[in-house]
Amino acid sequence: EDQVTQSPEALRLQEGESSSLNCSYTVSGLRGLFWYRQDPGKGPEFLFTLYSAGEEKEKERLKATLTKKESFLHITAPKPEDSATYLCAVFYGGSQGNLIFGKGTKLSVKP
Amino acid sequence: EPEVTQTPSHQVTQMGQEVILRCVPISNHLYFYWYRQILGQKVEFLVSFYNNEISEKSEIFDDQFSVERPDGSNFTLKIRSTKLEDSAMYFCASSVQGPNEKLFFGSGTQLSVL
Repeated sequence: EDQVTQSPEALRLQEGESSSLNCSYTVSGLRGLFWYRQDPGKGPEFLFTLYSAGEEKEKERLKATLTKKESFLHITAPKPEDSATYLCAVFYGGSQGNLIFGKGTKLSVKP
Repeated sequence: EPEVTQTPSHQVTQMGQEVILRCVPISNHLYFYWYRQILGQKVEFLVSFYNNEISEKSEIFDDQFSVERPDGSNFTLKIRSTKLEDSAMYFCASSVQGPNEKLFFGSGTQLSVL
């Protein structure tokens, strides 16, 4: 069973059409939940870290939230340059000091 | 902004050959990592390195893999005898304090084993 599940796998939006990406996790003892952005042929680029339920962080058009079971990445009025794959990763007590990644959500924003 | 540099960007090798993937982490970072991503699959942890020794490794990181920090700037991943299933994008990453903070990833080395 996957420890980190992201949905949807792919999302197509029109420019300006707000939406949310979901990351659900089943691990216990969460010590950090991370959102990364990955462009084709590139390495993941850090966006946010959330450490406890109720925490929220914002950066430009992106806002990340965390509950005890899931995290949401809200995208407000997206632009074509927001097109990328968004990766969620968790760090927890049993992960032996490393990040466990989800499969990602591929976001396409059309002008 | 400082970045993690990886070379080469692409590496093609024959099955059974040795390859060395090279990385230059950000200069004031203390923790170094290798992750890999097989096409269409998740990013997977291989190994973490701190204070000149391996701190954690995954099941993927078997005896065919090794890491080294030969000098004050480079961090390398060696695969002794490559297999077809080693074909993947290999990412080097570094961080200041440890894996529970943001990692800076390089652009990756695409390894193709024929």
